[in-house]
Amino acid sequence: DTAVSQTPKYLVTQMGNDKSIKCEQNLGHDTMYWYKQDSKKFLKIMFSYNNKELIINETVPNRFSPKSPDKAHLNLHINSLELGDSAVYFCASSQVGKIGTYEQYFGPGTRLTVT
Amino acid sequence: SQQGEEDPQALSIQEGENATMNCSYKTSINNLQWYRQNSGRGLVHLILIRSNEREKHSGRLRVTLDTSKKSSSLLITASRAADTASYFCATALAYSGAGSYQLTFGKGTKLSVIP
Repeated sequence: DTAVSQTPKYLVTQMGNDKSIKCEQNLGHDTMYWYKQDSKKFLKIMFSYNNKELIINETVPNRFSPKSPDKAHLNLHINSLELGDSAVYFCASSQVGKIGTYEQYFGPGTRLTVT
Repeated sequence: SQQGEEDPQALSIQEGENATMNCSYKTSINNLQWYRQNSGRGLVHLILIRSNEREKHSGRLRVTLDTSKKSSSLLITASRAADTASYFCATALAYSGAGSYQLTFGKGTKLSVIP
């Protein structure tokens, strides 16, 4: 069974469009994340979310918004897509305990290409 | 700003040799984690070492942590061609609030193991 899944795997769209990437985890984790990996393979946290708190990386444009319909899902909505949004987006999840966070489980990634 | 910095950026070794990758970071951490990423795939967690630990082993992996120098190393012994991948260190920092933590990744070391 896939632990963290993302759809679609590839997304090609034009500038100005609005798109969504879905993420689901079946691990029962309480925290989910979105990361952006650029062409130089640098991985940057965009959001972390649990049922109590959303933490937004201040460098993320407000065109990006996470939406969580339930604990197992954290979808990423992107409005007015720009060329610079082209990257691979990874969803991840983890459990957070009293002594700190544990390992994160990553989805396979969604390669977004904006033309 | 970026937290972790891996060194070297790229490493090429013969199968059977040991591979050592280093990671330096800037701030106090809750724990440090190492991940592997095969080309075109998501990240896979390898090992986690907490700030009060100095060394940890998992199979052919050995991780050390020196909090006074703010550095960590990952040693892969008896490397195999299948170890070819990018390796990332990630530091876990606590955020105020409902026990939220975030991982900050370095740029990664690209390891090539030649058969």
